[in-house]
Amino acid sequence: AQKITQTQPGMFVQEKEAVTLDCTYDTSDPSYGLFWYKQPSSGEMIFLIYQGSYDQQNATEGRYSLNFQKARKSANLVISASQLGDSAMYFCAMSAKAAGNKLTFGGGTRVLVKP
Amino acid sequence: EPEVTQTPSHQVTQMGQEVILRCVPISNHLYFYWYRQILGQKVEFLVSFYNNEISEKSEIFDDQFSVERPDGSNFTLKIRSTKLEDSAMYFCASTHEGGITEAFFGQGTRLTVV
Repeated sequence: AQKITQTQPGMFVQEKEAVTLDCTYDTSDPSYGLFWYKQPSSGEMIFLIYQGSYDQQNATEGRYSLNFQKARKSANLVISASQLGDSAMYFCAMSAKAAGNKLTFGGGTRVLVKP
Repeated sequence: EPEVTQTPSHQVTQMGQEVILRCVPISNHLYFYWYRQILGQKVEFLVSFYNNEISEKSEIFDDQFSVERPDGSNFTLKIRSTKLEDSAMYFCASTHEGGITEAFFGQGTRLTVV
């Protein structure tokens, strides 16, 4: 079975600073992917970044980077130069081949960016 | 940019009534999913659908739920007899392929059962 754990229910970050959102996962499948989604107050789910289990390099997408530590089974999201519009709920999710490629989500971390 | 579209955005229904939530996935996508998010909780997988049949369903997806792709573009989730605990945000998602890949989500339908 797959499991995703996000231990930070909420965080404050100062505008223009970086913030790291923690995510740990558990799976016995060697082939899996890790995803981060942003959910603003309007409710939609916005894809941010993806890391495959066999990828050698950490994924980056603009101000988002994923700190992938396979041995520790962690996939932390780093948001650099935080903006007010980054205030939202952030979900870590994983998908594994043996589990039919459906997404399993963590409980989420609410980020509030302070001006 | 292509997107997944869900209608309605909000629906209020009486307990025991049937509801149909509609989704139009991205046109060249082949795999379709429904997820549910009860207010303040995590997003949960309900069902996946490929080649006009259910690929996998969770324990949440009991006999009250059904999915259909009636006309090659729409993908629907039907709840036959709604319960109070069915109140949630329902997300449709689609992927182009069946491997580990980014899922594109619709904006969600907020269902309130009263």
